[in-house]
Amino acid sequence: DAKTTQPPSMDCAEGRAANLPCNHSTISGNEYVYWYRQIHSQGPQYIIHGLKNNETNEMASLIITEDRKSSTLILPHATLRDTAVYYCIVRTRSSGNTPLVFGKGTRLSVIA
Amino acid sequence: DARVTQTPRDKVTEMGQEVTMRCQPILGHNTVFWYRQTMMQGLELLAYFRNRAPLDDSGMPKDRFSAEMPDATLATLKIQPSEPRDSAVYFCASGLVGGETQYFGPGTRLLVL
Repeated sequence: DAKTTQPPSMDCAEGRAANLPCNHSTISGNEYVYWYRQIHSQGPQYIIHGLKNNETNEMASLIITEDRKSSTLILPHATLRDTAVYYCIVRTRSSGNTPLVFGKGTRLSVIA
Repeated sequence: DARVTQTPRDKVTEMGQEVTMRCQPILGHNTVFWYRQTMMQGLELLAYFRNRAPLDDSGMPKDRFSAEMPDATLATLKIQPSEPRDSAVYFCASGLVGGETQYFGPGTRLLVL
């Protein structure tokens, strides 16, 4: 699976959009971009995933560049409860549900 | 609201003691994962099962760790004997074969003195 690079930390004002970048310059054609987050003292939680089209769900939006070498997770209106470590994971989609390889992630602090 | 459950939530033990952690995957999920999280190593895979069969346990120290699924509703992770370096949070996750997501339990926080 391709390696990802994320900033170690970011701050965001409550109510503003949080834009979390991820670089995955070695991504291959059959690899998807997944985002999970881990709120303090909890297990990781799935947020969203995508291949090449932008994706949106009730939690967030995922913007993937045309060359697929980078992506941005957008939390449109960040709240204090969004304070967490956010992990960007590149993973081949296969017939099985294969293990996740976590990096260090980005620690997002939402500030009142 | 279906959830992965893990017991115990916290465990303090002395070096050399046996530790057993249990996980109840979401009903119907046929893929189960064990991950460990430490400050130094972050989140790393220990083992995972599909339809109760172990597929990969290369992340586990074989001499002291063992993982099993006695039935579809229970996964266990045992450490015998435990060592201080095993102190970590152990997460169980479950999902469906072919599914896109994994659902994590709340973790077992282990402290080996």
